[in-house]
Amino acid sequence: GQQLNQSPQSMFIQEGEDVSMNCTSSSIFNTWLWYKQDPGEGPVLLIALYKAGELTSNGRLTAQFGITRKDSFLNISASIPSDVGIYFCAGRSLGTNAGKSTFGDGTTLTVKP
Amino acid sequence: EAQVTQNPRYLITVTGKKLTVTCSQNMNHEYMSWYRQDPGLGLRQIYYSMNVEVTDKGDVPEGYKVSRKEKRNFPLILESPSPNQTSLYFCASSPRAGGYNEQFFGPGTRLTVL
Repeated sequence: GQQLNQSPQSMFIQEGEDVSMNCTSSSIFNTWLWYKQDPGEGPVLLIALYKAGELTSNGRLTAQFGITRKDSFLNISASIPSDVGIYFCAGRSLGTNAGKSTFGDGTTLTVKP
Repeated sequence: EAQVTQNPRYLITVTGKKLTVTCSQNMNHEYMSWYRQDPGLGLRQIYYSMNVEVTDKGDVPEGYKVSRKEKRNFPLILESPSPNQTSLYFCASSPRAGGYNEQFFGPGTRLTVL
């Protein structure tokens, strides 16, 4: 099936630093999604991207949908301790693959106060 | 409150003993899906349902069954669980399938098969 390569696998940063993570795919997606998972909970949607080239912000988070539709990145500015968690990218398609959802392996973020 | 609920939240069972994990959503969503999460492997899709009575395999369907007899419920059935099905399971739903619909996740079910 479709695969997403998410990097880095983990990050250890100091509070206040900026964070960047990205996902690449061998397939084209119509939507890129970024989720955050807190310990013991299900993933929660942070940002959804619907158009190639789209740049979207949600507070300190900024994400972009790559022009080729095969990649996306997520930036977190001025990190705070509550940013700790696992961040997942996900791609969704239309047409015959509309039911499939593909997730990256996650980036585990640790923020030191 | 709009939500996806799963039961049980935690389950320890033995190899071969049939079990069902229930999933229910109260948002009138057409699309529902099951995932398993294993360390370092992210979320892998097991089965999904585009609507009532319409189900299809995801990337890792072996050893699982699902049914979608009514819109709100999408149970996951393990007919003969094995230790390699020990995992954290998530149910999710969205208004419809496809690229422009956000998925909402349940709280997860942690399953241990001895």
